[in-house]
Amino acid sequence: QSALTQPASVSGSPGQSITISCTGTSSDVGGYNFVSWYQQHPGKAPKLMIYDVTNRPSGVSDRFSGSKSGNTASLTISGLQAEDEADYFCSSYTSSSALYVFGPGTQVTVL
Amino acid sequence: QVQLLESGGGVVQPGRSLRLSCAASGFTFTSYAMHWVRQAPGKGLEWVAVISDGETYKNYAASVKGRFTISRDSSKNTLSLQMNSLRPDDTAVYYCAAAHDSRWHTFDYWGQGTLVTVSS
Repeated sequence: QSALTQPASVSGSPGQSITISCTGTSSDVGGYNFVSWYQQHPGKAPKLMIYDVTNRPSGVSDRFSGSKSGNTASLTISGLQAEDEADYFCSSYTSSSALYVFGPGTQVTVL
Repeated sequence: QVQLLESGGGVVQPGRSLRLSCAASGFTFTSYAMHWVRQAPGKGLEWVAVISDGETYKNYAASVKGRFTISRDSSKNTLSLQMNSLRPDDTAVYYCAAAHDSRWHTFDYWGQGTLVTVSS
């Protein structure tokens, strides 16, 4: 059981936009702008895609964007491409003793 | 090219010890806090431990506190996790991750993980 909640899967056709949600509480997602998103292809190391809710690291496509409303953060992938097919998980700082919590991951499928 | 390469995983009996290592390259190791994060089979990620860039601060998840010790050797760009009194619920893939010292909550770089199986 993960501290943060994500949908198990999301799918879309090439060129479409999809949004993945990450729901926590006021002790983590809702309380701090310290939400990050990661992409993981099978057998590969996770890759940072978004940090501090909305920021993209250098080299990450601007098709990836992040937002937050209340206790729910979201990752939007615009102009979906075949290479975007991967697992995406969120993380947040938390005021609990765990310090950092994660979502279970969302499998993105490009139809 | 940034690389984090974990090693040391394997099968170990309950109650025994294991030491994981993570070799870092391609970035300024001394400017990053380092984390261990694990994922048990079929479960989500769980943060395990963090060590500051200067080794002055260490913190652990409640589930491993008192049994695991995180350390780093900046002269060799390596991170370690000494795991004692291992339990079956410590079975997981263990990842090392680097977080810039300006934002420890962001895992900038990850390794591919090493599998630890605790079983008799």
